[in-house]
Amino acid sequence: GENVEQHPSTLSVQEGDSAVIKCTYSDSASNYFPWYKQELGKRPQLIIDIRSNVGEKKDQRIAVTLNKTAKHFSLHITETQPEDSAVYFCAARGSSASKIIFGSGTRLSIRP
Amino acid sequence: DSGVTQTPKHLITATGQRVTLRCSPRSGDLSVYWYQQSLDQGLQFLIQYYNGEERAKGNILERFSAQQFPDLHSELNLSSLELGDSALYFCASSVGERAAYEQYFGPGTRLTVT
Repeated sequence: GENVEQHPSTLSVQEGDSAVIKCTYSDSASNYFPWYKQELGKRPQLIIDIRSNVGEKKDQRIAVTLNKTAKHFSLHITETQPEDSAVYFCAARGSSASKIIFGSGTRLSIRP
Repeated sequence: DSGVTQTPKHLITATGQRVTLRCSPRSGDLSVYWYQQSLDQGLQFLIQYYNGEERAKGNILERFSAQQFPDLHSELNLSSLELGDSALYFCASSVGERAAYEQYFGPGTRLTVT
């Protein structure tokens, strides 16, 4: 069935360093891949997304890469700051065009 | 503020009971999605409605049901509640029918079953 695997489940990095979160998906028909950030006690919010006709997308300190052949995509955060601490979810649109499948989440902690 | 509202914010009830969670989407959004988030868990997709019609189903239990009304607000009904149903329930809305657009999440309803 449709599945999105996300690694690592927890990640701790020094402030100013980079963080990378990786996801793989099972449905080769998936063509939309959003990333959501959920701060403690708050709602998930979209931070960046990528579509299958693009290999990379950047927005300031955040970038996402997509490898359709390998069916994996990654989130890269550079120059991490304390406010980057949160849980990050990757997601992929499944074969049912109306369904988004979320990964299990990565808890990112930024050490001062 | 995403523009999506959910009521109630908190709900405490006993096993075996039935509850209704309510969601109002952003103005102009026709799709409503429901998700369940258990403690320290990911977002489990439950069901999606578009303009009043069911469009997609996830791992939604038979004890759960939902509907979307003509004014586009949606309700998620949970019956014969069990302890394991305790979770944060989010609804999200988006403009299109297909899940290829940003979903705006509401603040969630925290359900505690005792």
